[in-house]
Order: sequence, then structure tokens, then C-alpha cells
Amino acid sequence: EADIYQTPRYLVIGTGKKITLECSQTMGHDKMYWYQQDPGMELHLIHYSYGVNSTEKGDLSSESTVSRIRTEHFPLTLESARPSHTSQYLCASSTGQVSSYEQYFGPGTRLTVT
Amino acid sequence: EDKVVQSPLSLVVHEGDTVTLNCSYEVTNFRSLLWYKQEKKAPTFLFMLTSSGIEKKSGRLSSILDKKELSSILNITATQTGDSAIYLCAVRNQTGANNLFFGTGTRLTVIP
Repeated sequence: EADIYQTPRYLVIGTGKKITLECSQTMGHDKMYWYQQDPGMELHLIHYSYGVNSTEKGDLSSESTVSRIRTEHFPLTLESARPSHTSQYLCASSTGQVSSYEQYFGPGTRLTVT
Repeated sequence: EDKVVQSPLSLVVHEGDTVTLNCSYEVTNFRSLLWYKQEKKAPTFLFMLTSSGIEKKSGRLSSILDKKELSSILNITATQTGDSAIYLCAVRNQTGANNLFFGTGTRLTVIP
């Protein structure tokens, strides 16, 4: 079944730790995205990718980095987590074709940095 | 600066009521407007609107776009407790990345 997965779903971690949030999709989508959402606030795009070996920063500045070595995999890494990184992180993908503009979202990772 | 504004921010209704959620936008080179429903997990897609005046309908939910007024409404008739969620409006512009500008959402609570 085609889907988009994120792990872990919840993560509580101490300041200074390195973390990687995983995102995988089985739909063969070329385009993938990372969003950050604080409670009661808008979804903000922090990274996106047009395809393998293509990554761009989004409209919200983020200290995280991403990589796209395989089409189906788009992990997000924080080298040194801080309390200000506490948020929900949502991964999404889309085909990018003219006839299909929808973005499909994963379940999200709720990150808490203590 | 591209902007999407939703109203009301929060709404509490009784089962069976009809609700109308509003979304207005200011986007350079508008391409489409999308509605999502977000419960405890990630948003799920509801509608995509590109043309003015054409209503999209799915069961008790319907939506319409007004490009002249730069706005859209989402209607839910005969609400049920399962409709309780945050409803997100997002607008896509004419860029190559298919990126979406989201509003803060409307939190709908349906009480029995």
C-alpha cells in the first residue's frame, strides 16, 4: 500500500544530542518536503527536494539539514538539539505533475528537547 | 508577502449544525487553494480548488473558491463529533516546488 512514513512518532531528547528524523514514502514521488508546526501556529516549510541529490531550504530558516540519496527517503538531521527545536515536524511528498498538486503528509514526529 | 488567513480561529457547535469556515489569501501568481483536515496526526487532503464558482463536494463537505474576492469557504452540513478537527487552508503559487502557504487553521469542536 502506497504511503508515507515517519519515525519516530515521539522523541524526547536532551540538549546537545544529534538526532535524525526519518521520512520514507512508497508512492514514487519525486518531490518531498519537511514542515515545522508549533501549536496553534502555521505550517512552515523548512526544506524541500525536487528529486535525488536535490535539496533546498524553505521559507522558514532552520538549523536542520536534509539529504536525498534515494527517491523514497528524505531524512532530517539536527546536529545539536536545543529546546527551541521543540516542535512537530511533518514530512510530505507530491508527484509534482500538472494534474496532481496534492501533497500527502506523514503522521509527523513530535520532538521535545529538554 | 504571501499570506493565508482563516476565520474563525475556533468554533464550537452542536451535532447537526451547519458550519462555514473561511479562508482568504494574498498570493503572488495564485495557482490553487487546498483544504486539509488535521486531527491528532498529519493533515489529510479534502479539496483542491482552481476555478472560481465551481463547487467541490464530498458527502457533507463542500467548498467553493472566489478568485475575485481572493477567498474560499468550506461548508460542513449535519456536523458529527467525528468532524472535530483543525481545518487547514493552503494556497499554492506558480513556483516549481509545489509549495503550500498554510493558514493557522480553524479548530472545530462538535459536541453531542
